[in-house]
Amino acid sequence: AQSVTQLGSHVSVSEGALVLLRCNYSSSVPPYLFWYVQYPNQGLQLLLKYTSAATLVKGINGFEAEFKKSETSFHLTKPSAHMSDAAEYFCAVTRFGNEKLTFGTGTRLTIIP
Amino acid sequence: GAGVSQSPRYKVAKRGQDVALRCDPISGHVSLFWYQQALGQGPEFLTYFQNEAQLDKSGLPSDRFFAERPEGSVSTLKIQRTQQEDSAVYLCASSSKTGRADQPQHFGDGTRLSIL
Repeated sequence: AQSVTQLGSHVSVSEGALVLLRCNYSSSVPPYLFWYVQYPNQGLQLLLKYTSAATLVKGINGFEAEFKKSETSFHLTKPSAHMSDAAEYFCAVTRFGNEKLTFGTGTRLTIIP
Repeated sequence: GAGVSQSPRYKVAKRGQDVALRCDPISGHVSLFWYQQALGQGPEFLTYFQNEAQLDKSGLPSDRFFAERPEGSVSTLKIQRTQQEDSAVYLCASSSKTGRADQPQHFGDGTRLSIL
C-alpha cells in the first residue's frame, strides 16, 4: 500500500517570501513521487517528479523538491513566491509496476500582496 | 490535439439518469486513467486502461460505473442511475508510449458532474 500526507490544507505566504509545501509518503517499495498544481476549473499540471535519480528535483516555474528517504518526505519549495503561484497543490505517489497515482488531500496556497 | 480533451466540461443530470463522459487522450499514449475528485479533495483513482485492456477497475465505487476504451484511444466513463453522491469532477489522464509508472500523467480539464 502507498499513501501521501500533505500537512497544512491552507498555506499563506507574502509575495516574495519562501514557499514550503509539505508532503510525506508511505510506501513499502521505492516510490515515484510527483507534485501537481491545479488552477481553478482546470486539470492538474505536472510541476516535477522524482523517479530514483537525483534527490533534488527541479521543476517548472521555479519550484523544486528534495526526496529524503530517511524522513519519507518530498517537500516542495520555491525561494520567492509570485502572485501567479496561488493555486491548489497535490503531492502524489506511485511505484514500479503500479501506474495509478495516489494523491494527497491538497494544499491551497494563497499569496498575500 | 496537443493535450487530453474531455467532454462535456459541465454536465447536469437529474438523479436516476444515465450519463456518459468522454476522454480523448494524447495521441499514441498507451495508458489512460479516470479519477474522481470530490469538492475540496484530491483526485481518487477509478480505473486504468493499457491500450484497450482495462487492467484495473478497483476504484469504481459501484457497478453503476462502467468504463470502456474499445479501440485503445478514446475512452468513455458511463454512470448509470446517477445518485447525488456521484457529483464530482471526473478527470481523465493519459501517459507514455511505453506504459511505465515513472512517466508523468497528463490531465484533461475534467468534467464537472452535478446531480440534482
